Amino acid sequence: TAGITQAPTSQILAAGRSMTLRCTQDMRHNAMYWYRQDLGLGLRLIHYSNTAGTTGKGEVPDGYSVSRANTDDFPLTLASAVPSQTSVYFCASSVREDAEAFFGQGTRLTVV
Amino acid sequence: GEDVEQSLFLSVREGDSSVINCTYTDSSSTYLYWYKQEPGAGLQLLTYIFSNMDMKQDQRLTVLLNKKDKHLSLRIADTQTGDSAIYFCAGRFNNNDMRFGAGTRLTVKP
Repeated sequence: TAGITQAPTSQILAAGRSMTLRCTQDMRHNAMYWYRQDLGLGLRLIHYSNTAGTTGKGEVPDGYSVSRANTDDFPLTLASAVPSQTSVYFCASSVREDAEAFFGQGTRLTVV
Repeated sequence: GEDVEQSLFLSVREGDSSVINCTYTDSSSTYLYWYKQEPGAGLQLLTYIFSNMDMKQDQRLTVLLNKKDKHLSLRIADTQTGDSAIYFCAGRFNNNDMRFGAGTRLTVKP
């Protein structure tokens, strides 16, 4: 079972360029999340979706957008990348919004 | 995050017990979680405790919850080198989004 898959694994991106980080889960989980992990700050929630067709803003949403057209996919888009968006990005899902979360392997993004 | 706080580092000798502590500010979470992150990997759920429990034991892991002090701890008995990882405390607070501590890096020395 694949579980939750993120792509790409890592990316170097020029500042000002746009990029979409992909996240797919095959567990039919209703809720999905995007976090960024930065040293000393732990994981901070960027955006979340409690069910297909709905999204919400987390703790640090500025500069990011998401969509949830179906249950399985939850892409994260950076419209115009800035160096402060250099981070490791984790996608997660849970069967419902009050259950434990399962994480992908992460995408390491470097904006130069 | 500021809602959940942990110390950043812990070093123990192999065979000793490890205790990782966490404090939180919001008592609304129904569950509190401990996640483990090994190098280069995502987070994996280690254990969790329901908010109306004081203690939960699962093999080498013991979770203690003091709701009055808003303090959560994870004790690992007979710590092994394979336990070296970053441990995150987390809870679901307002709007059900899961908030994480900054993570405690556990180093186990042989």
